[in-house]
Amino acid sequence: GQQLNQSPQSMFIQEGEDVSMNCTSSSIFNTWLWYKQDPGEGPVLLIALYKAGELTSNGRLTAQFGITRKDSFLNISASIPSDVGIYFCAGFSSNTGKLIFGQGTTLQVKP
Amino acid sequence: NAGVTQTPKFQVLKTGQSMTLQCAQDMNHNSMYWYRQDPGMGLRLIYYSASEGTTDKGEVPNGYNVSRLNKREFSLRLESAAPSQTSVYFCASSETVSGSYNSPLHFGNGTRLTVT
Repeated sequence: GQQLNQSPQSMFIQEGEDVSMNCTSSSIFNTWLWYKQDPGEGPVLLIALYKAGELTSNGRLTAQFGITRKDSFLNISASIPSDVGIYFCAGFSSNTGKLIFGQGTTLQVKP
Repeated sequence: NAGVTQTPKFQVLKTGQSMTLQCAQDMNHNSMYWYRQDPGMGLRLIYYSASEGTTDKGEVPNGYNVSRLNKREFSLRLESAAPSQTSVYFCASSETVSGSYNSPLHFGNGTRLTVT
């Protein structure tokens, strides 16, 4: 079946540093989504990407839909303590009609 | 707006006990979902309901049943709880099925279930 490999699994960084995480798959996706889960809450959508090569920003967050449609990355610039949480990528395939989630990247930020 | 509301927030069960997790959304969404979240495994779909009156199995349906009571409510039932069902359960909704273009998933805050 389709699988997403998200890396790294966890990151511990200093406030002010930039962060990069990515998702890869052997399958093609039509949509890539990035969610953030704050401690004790449900995931919230950060960025949605609908077209191969698309680069989209949301404040300090930037995400790209890989040109091969098999990968996506999320960058966070100048991290702050409230960036702490778990970040999930998700890929949607119109062929299967399924939305698949990555394993998550746990981010900790040291003030 | 409340969005997606899940009850209870926490629950401890003994092996073999049954319980129902409740979920309600106030966004007039057609599709609703139940996921479970386990460390290192991301979010896995248990069951979903594309529209009122329909339900379908997801990736990990064994040991669970669901009921789409009406457009707003979608419940998840564990008939005979097992330790392997210890997890965080999330309900989600979207305007149309799949959570893709213009129809992202909106999640509740989760139910933390422990089965001893």
